[in-house]
Amino acid sequence: EAQVTQNPRYLITVTGKKLTVTCSQNMNHEYMSWYRQDPGLGLRQIYYSMNVEVTDKGDVPEGYKVSRKEKRNFPLILESPSPNQTSLYFCASSSQGRGTGELFFGEGSRLTVL
Amino acid sequence: SQQGEEDPQALSIQEGENATMNCSYKTSINNLQWYRQNSGRGLVHLILIRSNEREKHSGRLRVTLDTSKKSSSLLITASRAADTASYFCATDSYTSGTYKYIFGTGTRLKVLA
Repeated sequence: EAQVTQNPRYLITVTGKKLTVTCSQNMNHEYMSWYRQDPGLGLRQIYYSMNVEVTDKGDVPEGYKVSRKEKRNFPLILESPSPNQTSLYFCASSSQGRGTGELFFGEGSRLTVL
Repeated sequence: SQQGEEDPQALSIQEGENATMNCSYKTSINNLQWYRQNSGRGLVHLILIRSNEREKHSGRLRVTLDTSKKSSSLLITASRAADTASYFCATDSYTSGTYKYIFGTGTRLKVLA
């Protein structure tokens, strides 16, 4: 089954404790991206990747890092989480980058930073 | 920053009625997409309409696009309780070497049985 898998789905952590949210897709998609969703703000893009070893900032990259060492994986790293990073995070992938293709989304990771 | 805006923010209708939601955007686009999100879940792609298309159908969905007004509408006909969800439009964007999907803030649809 074609899918995008995120882990963990739920996480409560404390300020400053590094964490990684993993994302994996099994569709051989070149394009992957991370979004955060906050009430009243819709989805905002954090980072995206057009292919292996190619990543770029989205609208709200501050406080986040990503890597794309393999085509299927695109982890989101919070080096020193802060309470304003409490949010619902989504990973998505597409066979066509450049904003032109259908995005496939993971089920989301709800992060709370205390 | 540029962003699509959906209208209305929330909509409540009876089962069997039609639901119409609108999306406006700010810059030229190559395509516009509509997504659905059940509460707290991942978004699911519904339909894509290209900038040279004016109308597209998929099952009970009808999407229109007016590039001169920079707006799109999503019509769900004969709505069902299972259509209760949030609906988002998304446009493609290329600015300063960066490719993006720009999502709107969504319309929350509630279909009453």
